Amino acid sequence: AQKITQTQPGMFVQEKEAVTLDCTYDTSDPSYGLFWYKQPSSGEMIFLIYQGSYDQQNATEGRYSLNFQKARKSANLVISASQLGDSAMYFCAMRRMDSSYKLIFGSGTRLLVRP
Amino acid sequence: SAVISQKPSRDICQRGTSLTIQCQVDSQVTMMFWYRQQPGQSLTLIATANQGSEATYESGFVIDKFPISRPNLTFSTLTVSNMSPEDSSIYLCSVGQGASDTQYFGPGTRLTVL
Repeated sequence: AQKITQTQPGMFVQEKEAVTLDCTYDTSDPSYGLFWYKQPSSGEMIFLIYQGSYDQQNATEGRYSLNFQKARKSANLVISASQLGDSAMYFCAMRRMDSSYKLIFGSGTRLLVRP
Repeated sequence: SAVISQKPSRDICQRGTSLTIQCQVDSQVTMMFWYRQQPGQSLTLIATANQGSEATYESGFVIDKFPISRPNLTFSTLTVSNMSPEDSSIYLCSVGQGASDTQYFGPGTRLTVL
């Protein structure tokens, strides 16, 4: 069975500094996708970044990068130059690259950016 | 990515009643999903809304409690039936798009059941 683990319930970071949010996963599928979402207090889920299991390079999207270590089964999110607006819940998710399309979410990490 | 809207954005309901949540997408999409997020929890998939056929429900969710309609490729509804306080949650619809079938979410419906 697939499982996503986020071990950091809460994190603090100083504005303008970088922060890493941890995510480990467990799957026996050879092909899968890893996603990160941001959920502000408004409740919407905002897609941030995607990494495919066969992608050779780590994904990057602006200030977001994904540190993908396949052998360790980890997919950590790195946010550079943190901003006050980055304060939110962050969820790591995984799905099989088959017809099910089902997303399995981790428990989330609450990030608070300090001015 | 598609623009997704949900109605209502929030509601307060009495136990024993039902609420229908609408999800509208600005483009045709094949895959549409409904998730529940209970207070302080992560997201859980309720069902996949299939156009032209019955929804596919996940373990622990049944059609009698969460009937879903998908009349076309841009619209779906989720009904929360015979509500109890335990149904108080955020309900989100999502659609799959792009080469990686990334799921994009609507703004959510915040439901409180008294």
